Formats: sequence, structure tokens, C-alpha cells
Amino acid sequence: AQSVTQLDSQVPVFEEAPVELRCNYSSSVSVYLFWYVQYPNQGLQLLLKYLSGSTLVKGINGFEAEFNKSQTSFHLRKPSVHISDTAEYFCAVSEASGNTGKLIFGQGTTLQVKP
Amino acid sequence: DTAVSQTPKYLVTQMGNDKSIKCEQNLGHDTMYWYKQDSKKFLKIMFSYNNKELIINETVPNRFSPKSPDKAHLNLHINSLELGDSAVYFCASSRGIRANYGYTFGSGTRLTVV
Repeated sequence: AQSVTQLDSQVPVFEEAPVELRCNYSSSVSVYLFWYVQYPNQGLQLLLKYLSGSTLVKGINGFEAEFNKSQTSFHLRKPSVHISDTAEYFCAVSEASGNTGKLIFGQGTTLQVKP
Repeated sequence: DTAVSQTPKYLVTQMGNDKSIKCEQNLGHDTMYWYKQDSKKFLKIMFSYNNKELIINETVPNRFSPKSPDKAHLNLHINSLELGDSAVYFCASSRGIRANYGYTFGSGTRLTVV
């Protein structure tokens, strides 16, 4: 079985500063990894995903994430955040060879961007 | 057009009532899901259908019954509602049963049981 741990429940940061949201996963098999964003009172939107290949993945809105197999991590980064990035961010994992498409989500990290 | 639409958006009801939440997707996807998001924002999968066939049925009370009349629709019926059922319920769809497709989520149904 897979599990996901998001190491920070809240991350406050000033506008235009860089940010890193941390995600560790646990799995005995190969996985796919995802980051989703949830704006207030909305559904989740896919930011980026790692399936295979290059360990640095670029997504929408200037976000990127790096897959580190040895550290079982998939941290999300943005070099300069905007007020509009304030949202809940979820890391998710799925079994790469699975046949259900099931995603297991972390507990979420609230990113608070201050002016 | 909304890709994955859920109705109603808000639902307030008394304990013991029976209610349904509807979900429709116009993306042509084969697979649909129901997730429950609790008050701490934790998301947990409940059910999944692929082409009208149930493929995921997590440990969920049997008061919850999903129904998929066709691959574009996945409804959730809840009998004898309890206070602990209060949550946001999200419907999602994906192109197939392989996880690499990712999900498209609806905007959620906030259920409040009083």
C-alpha cells in the first residue's frame, strides 16, 4: 500500500518570495506522483505529475517539482509566489502498475501568501 | 460548459434523511470517482466506476450506494444520514483506469447534516 505525508500543514510566505512545499511518499512498488491545488470553495486542479523520465517536472502557474527516488520525496517549488497562489496544495500517489487509477492524497498544505 | 458538474452544490438536511448527489462529466472519460473531504481537508476515496462497472469500493458504510447509469454519470445515494456524514463530496473523472491520466474534479457538494 502507498501513503503520502505532507510535512507542513501551513506555509506562510511573502509575495515574490520562493516557496517549497514538501511531500514524502511510501511505497513498495513504482509510483506515479501528482500535485493538485484547491482554491477556496472549488474542486482540485492538477498542477503537475511525474510518471517517468526526467525527475524535474514543470507544471502550470510556474510551479515545478522534483522526484527523488532515494529520498522518496516529491517537493513542489515556485521561485516567486503571487497572492493568487494562496490555496490548499495536495500531494498524491498512485501505483504505477495499478488498474484502478486510485489516488491516495496527503493531508494538504495551506499556502498563505502575504503582501 | 463545466467538465465535471455536481448537483447540488450545498445540501443541508436532518439526521435520518435520505439524499442523493449527482455527478455528470462531458469529457468522454471512462472512469469516475467519489471522494470524501472531511473537516480537516483530508481526501479519501469512496468508490470508482469504469464504464458503469464498480472497480473500487473502499470501506464505506453500506448506507452509501453509488449508481452509474452510463459512463458519463455517477450518482451517490446516502440513506439514514448521520452527523458524521457531514463533509464535502467530490466527484472526479479520468480517461481510463490507469493512474497516469490524472483526474478532473468537480467543484464539490458540501453536505451538512443537522
